Amino acid sequence: GAGVSQSPSNKVTEKGKDVELRCDPISGHTALYWYRQSLGQGLEFLIYFQGNSAPDKSGLPSDRFSAERTGGSVSTLTIQRTQQEDSAVYLCASSTTSGNEQFFGPGTRLTVL
Amino acid sequence: QKEVEQDPGPLSVPEGAIVSLNCTYSNSAFQYFMWYRQYSRKGPELLMYTYSSGNKEDGRFTAQVDKSSKYISLFIRDSQPSDSATYLCAMDPGNTPLVFGKGTRLSVIA
Repeated sequence: GAGVSQSPSNKVTEKGKDVELRCDPISGHTALYWYRQSLGQGLEFLIYFQGNSAPDKSGLPSDRFSAERTGGSVSTLTIQRTQQEDSAVYLCASSTTSGNEQFFGPGTRLTVL
Repeated sequence: QKEVEQDPGPLSVPEGAIVSLNCTYSNSAFQYFMWYRQYSRKGPELLMYTYSSGNKEDGRFTAQVDKSSKYISLFIRDSQPSDSATYLCAMDPGNTPLVFGKGTRLSVIA
């Protein structure tokens, strides 16, 4: 039984570079969420996909951040022109349409030098 | 005032102690209340899920919700070293992303 998977598990990049983070949700889950967790902070909501509806992008901190979800499954979070303050763990979660239980992936630890 | 307040700790207790973790919230629209456990370098995992005011018990864990006071608690009985983790409360007004507390880091010392 596969859970939510994320890749890469760790990413080190230089300031100004673009990065792509990938999330594979649990098969059949129509809702997908991206969160950011900085040291000593809680989970900060970034973006939410639900089925074919327009995504809720209200949590994206700047226009350098974007995400897409292809075919209602895999999602990619892209951060352009990375800054040091983007360093954090980026967590993906998925859930069923009607359920509130979100299943989390292990996260991608991003370090911007 | 933040929507969800949670003391970050750290909280250190001896093995076998009863642990009490708490969150307060300001949004009366929150309907669902959850506790997630997060081990170091892992994603959060759902521990307890409650909807209404009152208590819900699952083994050594009890979740308590007091909507009138906007206060939720998680109690851990007979705490074990394996309970050492960060515990995050989360709340949902329905059909929107969850709002998380900052998490309380718990260490249970053998």
